Amino acid sequence: SAVISQKPSRDICQRGTSLTIQCQVDSQVTMMFWYRQQPGQSLTLIATANQGSEATYESGFVIDKFPISRPNLTFSTLTVSNMSPEDSSIYLCSVDKGTYGYTFGSGTRLTVV
Amino acid sequence: ELKVEQNPLFLSMQEGKNYTIYCNYSTTSDRLYWYRQDPGKSLESLFVLLSNGAVKQEGRLMASLDTKARLSTLHITAAVHDLSATYFCAVVISGTYKYIFGTGTRLKVLA
Repeated sequence: SAVISQKPSRDICQRGTSLTIQCQVDSQVTMMFWYRQQPGQSLTLIATANQGSEATYESGFVIDKFPISRPNLTFSTLTVSNMSPEDSSIYLCSVDKGTYGYTFGSGTRLTVV
Repeated sequence: ELKVEQNPLFLSMQEGKNYTIYCNYSTTSDRLYWYRQDPGKSLESLFVLLSNGAVKQEGRLMASLDTKARLSTLHITAAVHDLSATYFCAVVISGTYKYIFGTGTRLKVLA
């Protein structure tokens, strides 16, 4: 299975600022996925990031708030823009390795104050 | 809309006891996965279930899949404290690579 390096692991940010989360995969993958996990909740898919094209966002998530970059087949970033306390969550990137399923990054625990 | 529901949401059990977590989903799916999440950590893959009737076992955990009933179970045998975690099932939407996660079951095993 793939190994994903995600950073930062945690951050405390002021409201109104932005944070960029990075994920580096040890192998080339076509799609990367970004999830949000609000405190005590399940995972919600934010968007699917394909190399060479715009990310595909799920209902309730917009590019202006969560811009995503995918410059190559091993790297992606998610930015959480103009943050408010409601954005406090764990953000996870993942890749799908076929029948083996998703491999997840270690997660970024974001607290907005 | 695909819904994935787990029950129970919270489970507190004594060491040595058996219990089953249920995962129901609302539409056809190619694959179903079980994950474990420890507090403050990422998700760890436990089981991959690819076909109707599939059964997988690892240690004290056994997972099964009934695609006709759209039901998966995660059975815990003789629970130990180390199994305390949150367990998620995840269903792959047919024809896509998107996973829809269940609501999660927070398991606490009491010594």
